[in-house]
Amino acid sequence: AQSVTQLDSHVSVSEGTPVLLRCNYSSSYSPSLFWYVQHPNKGLQLLLKYTSAATLVKGINGFEAEFKKSETSFHLTKPSAHMSDAAEYFCVVWMDSSYKLIFGSGTRLLVRP
Amino acid sequence: DAGVTQSPTHLIKTRGQQVTLRCSPKSGHDTVSWYQQALGQGPQFIFQYYEEEERQRGNFPDRFSGHQFPNYSSELNVNALLLGDSALYLCASSKIRDGANVLTFGAGSRLTVL
Repeated sequence: AQSVTQLDSHVSVSEGTPVLLRCNYSSSYSPSLFWYVQHPNKGLQLLLKYTSAATLVKGINGFEAEFKKSETSFHLTKPSAHMSDAAEYFCVVWMDSSYKLIFGSGTRLLVRP
Repeated sequence: DAGVTQSPTHLIKTRGQQVTLRCSPKSGHDTVSWYQQALGQGPQFIFQYYEEEERQRGNFPDRFSGHQFPNYSSELNVNALLLGDSALYLCASSKIRDGANVLTFGAGSRLTVL
């Protein structure tokens, strides 16, 4: 069965410092992986998507993620945090067999001034 | 270009009542999925509709039912509400020809059951 595990429930960084949100996946084949962001009282917004075309995926707002098969990881990074990045981030895998997204438990990113 | 719109945004019900939530997909999308997001958790898949039929269903009881209309809009119905049904209900739309795995989410309907 496919699943994702987000290793940190909360991450706190200072504005202007790098962001690292960690995600490990479990899949018997090359998965479709996503990162979504959810700001308070707003819907989920797609940050980026991996579908095996390239291992380094660039997304919106300066975020990127690297697919590492040997480590079964898909960590999300950003070189410099901005106050507006404070939100909940979800690592997500798509299950082809059942047409659904499986979400991780989420990581809340706090950005200190 | 309007994205996914959901109504109502907030509602309060009491145990045993029934609720209907509505969703209009993004223009050009033909597939609608519903997810339940309990407080502090990631969304859980309820079901997906395509061509007015339930294409796939998650691990939710039969109290949860849905419908898709010819214009691709959708409804989620929950009968015999329980306290545990309190959650944010998210509708997402996609295009079947794109693999239906790039979803656009609405802002959600927050249901409180008292």
